[in-house]
Amino acid sequence: GQNIDQPTEMTATEGAIVQINCTYQTSGFNGLFWYQQHAGEAPTFLSYNVLDGLEEKGRFSSFLSRSKGYSYLLLKELQMKDSASYLCAVMDSNYQLIWGAGTKLIIKP
Amino acid sequence: GAVVSQHPSRVICKSGTSVKIECRSLDFQATTMFWYRQFPKQSLMLMATSNEGSKATYEQGVEKDKFLINHASLTLSTLTVTSAHPEDSSFYICSASLGTSGGIGSGELFFGEGSRLTVL
Repeated sequence: GQNIDQPTEMTATEGAIVQINCTYQTSGFNGLFWYQQHAGEAPTFLSYNVLDGLEEKGRFSSFLSRSKGYSYLLLKELQMKDSASYLCAVMDSNYQLIWGAGTKLIIKP
Repeated sequence: GAVVSQHPSRVICKSGTSVKIECRSLDFQATTMFWYRQFPKQSLMLMATSNEGSKATYEQGVEKDKFLINHASLTLSTLTVTSAHPEDSSFYICSASLGTSGGIGSGELFFGEGSRLTVL
């Protein structure tokens, strides 16, 4: 079956760095997405990786290793507004998105 | 970036009534829109894929007669929850792609704000 795994919850300190991991097993691969979702709101797009390596976008970076079925989202210089759920999603061979359950990130002052 | 607008953001209705949720792409044409449902503390669950001018493709376990989807134009898709019951209470979210031919070639989905449905 298809499966996306990511930690349920993480806690970090304001100003620090946090890495949210995502491992996946899917039938085919057409890219991996990271989305941010604040409570009660719809997700917003953060990143898209289809080739191995690191994609940097401001304070957020996303890494992909297709051979390992692994990705991580790296958040630097954490701010209180970064408290949210972070969703990992993989597009399979049918171009269907398979969603992880999300990682709730709690930022403490 | 592209904007997707969803309306209403919140709706409370009595059991047995029908509720319509609209999803509009404001500044681009979306040949394909997606409808999701999300229960508290759970991930998004794809309900159906809506293609302009054709019947929606429903995911397994989603009742197409209960969740009516219409995609009559390139900028509007609607989800109607018919004869709603308390178990239908959920957060419904639509998304649209900028990809060509309905695919996600650009690698990005744009989401509406979501609609929280509460059925009493």
